[in-house]
Amino acid sequence: KAGVTQTPRYLIKTRGQQVTLSCSPISGHRSVSWYQQTPGQGLQFLFEYFSETQRNKGNFPGRFSGRQFSNSRSEMNVSTLELGDSALYLCASSLSSGLYEQYFGPGTRLTVT
Amino acid sequence: LAKTTQPISMDSYEGQEVNITCSHNNIATNDYITWYQQFPSQGPRFIIQGYKTKVTNEVASLFIPADRKSSTLSLPRVSLSDTAVYYCLVGDIRSGGTSYGKLTFGQGTILTVHP
Repeated sequence: KAGVTQTPRYLIKTRGQQVTLSCSPISGHRSVSWYQQTPGQGLQFLFEYFSETQRNKGNFPGRFSGRQFSNSRSEMNVSTLELGDSALYLCASSLSSGLYEQYFGPGTRLTVT
Repeated sequence: LAKTTQPISMDSYEGQEVNITCSHNNIATNDYITWYQQFPSQGPRFIIQGYKTKVTNEVASLFIPADRKSSTLSLPRVSLSDTAVYYCLVGDIRSGGTSYGKLTFGQGTILTVHP
């Protein structure tokens, strides 16, 4: 069974731009969660989508948004990029909503200059 | 939100059993304890999850005492490939749980396995 895939793997953007990251969950998984990982803050929960609906949200500003499609694929968008948004963005999928056994993708490394 | 404390680093040798303890004194009633493993440049990998007592799967065991203020991840007979960062996550993992949105992984424990 194929694992969680994320595209692109690496991205360089400048301040003020926006970016869209994509995540394809494991086949059959309906929940997709997004996380931000930085050396200083560690791994922080952004939001979770289940059946095309945002079920849970972390403490991030409204510049961070996401959506999920009917095939469970998910996208995350960050608008008006700031230098502090440089991070590894990870998505994880699971069968059901909630943070039960999750399978993580390799991440997208975003660098904001 | 339960704050977790783990050792920053641990060293072991191949074939030994490794126990990593996580302290979470203010764990809430609905909080679960989950452990993840992460290698450089990869996403975390789920190891084990539990609520109370002992949980065992094919790769690890999780011991949780009655007061649930700490938990211990036990890795039997480690190998060089177990060198990684191990994260203890404590929180309400149920969808819509009270502390769900505030879940944060701690800094983790760097486990180094020597030949």
